[in-house]
Amino acid sequence: DVKVTQSSRYLVKRTGEKVFLECVQDMDHENMFWYRQDPGLGLRLIYFSYDVKMKEKGDIPEGYSVSREKKERFSLILESASTNQTSMYLCASSTSRASYGYTFGSGTRLTVV
Amino acid sequence: QKEVEQNSGPLSVPEGAIASLNCTYSDRGSQSFFWYRQYSGKSPELIMSIYSNGDKEDGRFTAQLNKASQYVSLLIRDSQPSDSATYLCAVTSGTYKYIFGTGTRLKVLA
Repeated sequence: DVKVTQSSRYLVKRTGEKVFLECVQDMDHENMFWYRQDPGLGLRLIYFSYDVKMKEKGDIPEGYSVSREKKERFSLILESASTNQTSMYLCASSTSRASYGYTFGSGTRLTVV
Repeated sequence: QKEVEQNSGPLSVPEGAIASLNCTYSDRGSQSFFWYRQYSGKSPELIMSIYSNGDKEDGRFTAQLNKASQYVSLLIRDSQPSDSATYLCAVTSGTYKYIFGTGTRLKVLA
């Protein structure tokens, strides 16, 4: 089975801190994604990457950046954490075409205080 | 703005009944359609995919697709309390991405 591993299950950070969320997949998937999930708003795409060093903005990229230096790892960076970035963050990966479905990591619940 | 619409629920059904979950989408170019199950506090898990009009069955689950009417549905037969979860509909948008609905919460009453 494909495994998508997110480095932290729960994280508490202070306003203004730089925050790194790490995601690693072990099945050689080309595509990787970062979503946030909030009650009533569903899953919203922050950034995605379809190849090493390639990235594209999703629907809500403001306040975030990403890095993909290796195929298996996709990092989400909160440049200066704010309280409105408190959320569940989900990483996902898929093969070269999205038509085969995503596999999600277990999620990181980030609280910014 | 491309959208996927789901009734948020909760949809309550008695144990052993058929649960019917529906989803409509706006992008006529969408080619692939998925249902994910998400238990409270957990991440979404893919349970069904469907690509062509008609029905696709997998165990107790049946996905139905009607591209002309732009809707997708999921039927769960012989519903069990363990099926209680939020069900997310997702459709492809372009080559790489999905658009997700906000989910329907299903409660199966023992």
